[in-house]
Amino acid sequence: EAGVAQSPRYKIIEKRQSVAFWCNPISGHATLYWYQQILGQGPKLLIQFQNNGVVDDSQLPKDRFSAERLKGVDSTLKIQPAKLEDSAVYLCASRGVRGKETQYFGPGTRLLVL
Amino acid sequence: DQQVKQNSPSLSVQEGRISILNCDYTNSMFDYFLWYKKYPAEGPTFLISISSIKDKNEDGRFTVFLNKSAKHLSLHIVPSQPGDSAVYFCAASAGAQKLVFGQGTRLTINP
Repeated sequence: EAGVAQSPRYKIIEKRQSVAFWCNPISGHATLYWYQQILGQGPKLLIQFQNNGVVDDSQLPKDRFSAERLKGVDSTLKIQPAKLEDSAVYLCASRGVRGKETQYFGPGTRLLVL
Repeated sequence: DQQVKQNSPSLSVQEGRISILNCDYTNSMFDYFLWYKKYPAEGPTFLISISSIKDKNEDGRFTVFLNKSAKHLSLHIVPSQPGDSAVYFCAASAGAQKLVFGQGTRLTINP
């Protein structure tokens, strides 16, 4: 079974530029999450989708961050404009419909804002 | 508001000995707890979990203990192997809602 796919793996941009990340969850997983992991900290949830609907975006900085999951499968996360403090690893995770709360993570996208 | 805390940023253990990683939480609504392992440049990998109705769960060399009255859980790895060197995160959820992660503990297994 293929895992969670993310691209790009690395991105370097200048502040005030925009950037987008892509995630393809495990096949059949209805729930998709985007996390931000700043160096030295644990992952922090940005947004949670159930199919193509948003379940929780309470910690998403909506003035600059947006995310969509139009067909209930893959998802994109966008930052516009980027700030220096957005430098982090952006992790995508997915979870199946039934059973346990275990989330499966992709490799992440490492973003550096200069 | 740090609801899940891992107070040891790092831990060094001799190969073959027991590694014990600790985690404390404050939210009494948490009912499911997980441990993830993370290697550099990779995403976190699920290791083991425990429901709040249990106080112990074992999977091979890994055992997780939950003490609900103390709001404390621990991960025991025995015997420790060099490949166990990684960052370990504990995480908790309430009613299948979002996971709240601790800050992580870097485990180093010395040969």
